[in-house]
Amino acid sequence: EVVLTQSPGTLSLSPGERATLSCRASQNVTSNYLAWYQQKPGQAPRLLIHGASSRATGIPDRFSGSGSGTDFTLTISRLEPEDFAVYYCQQYGSPPFTFGGGTKVEIK
Amino acid sequence: EVQLVESGGGLVQPGWSLRLSCEASGFTFANYDMHWVRQSPGEGLEWVSGVSWNTNNIGYADSVKGRFTISRDNAKSSLYLQMNSLTPEDTALYFCAKGRNPMDWGPLDYWGQGALVTVSS
Repeated sequence: EVVLTQSPGTLSLSPGERATLSCRASQNVTSNYLAWYQQKPGQAPRLLIHGASSRATGIPDRFSGSGSGTDFTLTISRLEPEDFAVYYCQQYGSPPFTFGGGTKVEIK
Repeated sequence: EVQLVESGGGLVQPGWSLRLSCEASGFTFANYDMHWVRQSPGEGLEWVSGVSWNTNNIGYADSVKGRFTISRDNAKSSLYLQMNSLTPEDTALYFCAKGRNPMDWGPLDYWGQGALVTVSS
């Protein structure tokens, strides 16, 4: 089983700032099949990034993903008020398709 | 418009069984892998199980292996999760989710609103 570790647990930033979120895998993620999701309170998760760096349909270009192998990063270039939420990474290269523990991006 | 609607949640006692259903619409259900993901109150996401479009590939989290069974009925555009020997640790909101890639495993691009399962005596 691929274990995903996200850091930091909480990121306190102001609107307009840059957010950098990390996701590290315990072993190589097959074909870089790594996705990022955003979840707001009371809502289902929303797919942001797939294949480590491809934006999902309708996702603004301030969201970008990078990385390969075991180290992956989600970057939000300039935080908008609606971006304050919890972010999860998930590997879907081989079952079980594990999630990371999440990073909460909160308003400073 | 893609819609996923879960049903079948409720309050059960430890050791009991429950069957969740997910009715899908707005896409060709038979062409996509489908998944169950759960979230315990105040906690993160946990992938529970997934089934490929043709049911040839099925996977489970270690925490539910041997107790939960995923299935699908492509003719009814429906996904199911049979949950046996439930424990309080299974208490969670259970999401049904659709894989993005036709006829292949993929990320989860559409999610339902979830069905709440509470296991308590």
